[in-house]
Amino acid sequence: DAGVTQSPTHLIKTRGQHVTLRCSPISGHKSVSWYQQVLGQGPQFIFQYYEKEERGRGNFPDRFSARQFPNYSSELNVNALLLGDSALYLCASSFDTYARYNEQFFGPGTRLTVL
Amino acid sequence: AQTVTQSQPEMSVQEAETVTLSCTYDTSENNYYLFWYKQPPSRQMILVIRQEAYKQQNATENRFSVNFQKAAKSFILKISDSQLGDTAMYFCAWYGGATNKLIFGTGTLLAVQP
Repeated sequence: DAGVTQSPTHLIKTRGQHVTLRCSPISGHKSVSWYQQVLGQGPQFIFQYYEKEERGRGNFPDRFSARQFPNYSSELNVNALLLGDSALYLCASSFDTYARYNEQFFGPGTRLTVL
Repeated sequence: AQTVTQSQPEMSVQEAETVTLSCTYDTSENNYYLFWYKQPPSRQMILVIRQEAYKQQNATENRFSVNFQKAAKSFILKISDSQLGDTAMYFCAWYGGATNKLIFGTGTLLAVQP
């Protein structure tokens, strides 16, 4: 079975531009979470979606938005890019959010560079 | 708010030896989970080991084990018989309450030397 997939692998943008990152969860998983990992730091939580609804949001500005589609894939959108948005963006999928615990499986990430 | 602290930015160990990675955390929650994740260079993050806070017994997964001290809010990873493939960034993470999110530490870069 395929794991979590993310596209694109790498992306270079300039300040002020918009970017869309995509994630396909493991088959059967209904929840997707997004994390930002700046170089030298641990991942920081951005969003979690379950059944197309936002279930959690981290301390990120409104320039960051996301959505989940009926097939449970997800997009992360970032508007008005800043240099500080340069990071590895990780997607993680899990079966649901209501069980006591659901292991999150991570994708390979999208490396975003903002010039 | 929950915080996770890893005070060892880098560690080095000889192949076949044992190494311990430290993690402390702060939380007011009573029910939570703690994890160690491994992120090899240019490869995706994978779960190494999981500990449920309500369980007193320390978790073990083959060469990986933890020393969980709930009162001290300490979560130490022990890697026995270190292998070259263990070279990676190791992240300690917390999960619990109604947050629906993992809270990560800053990571420890482990280098296994031949």
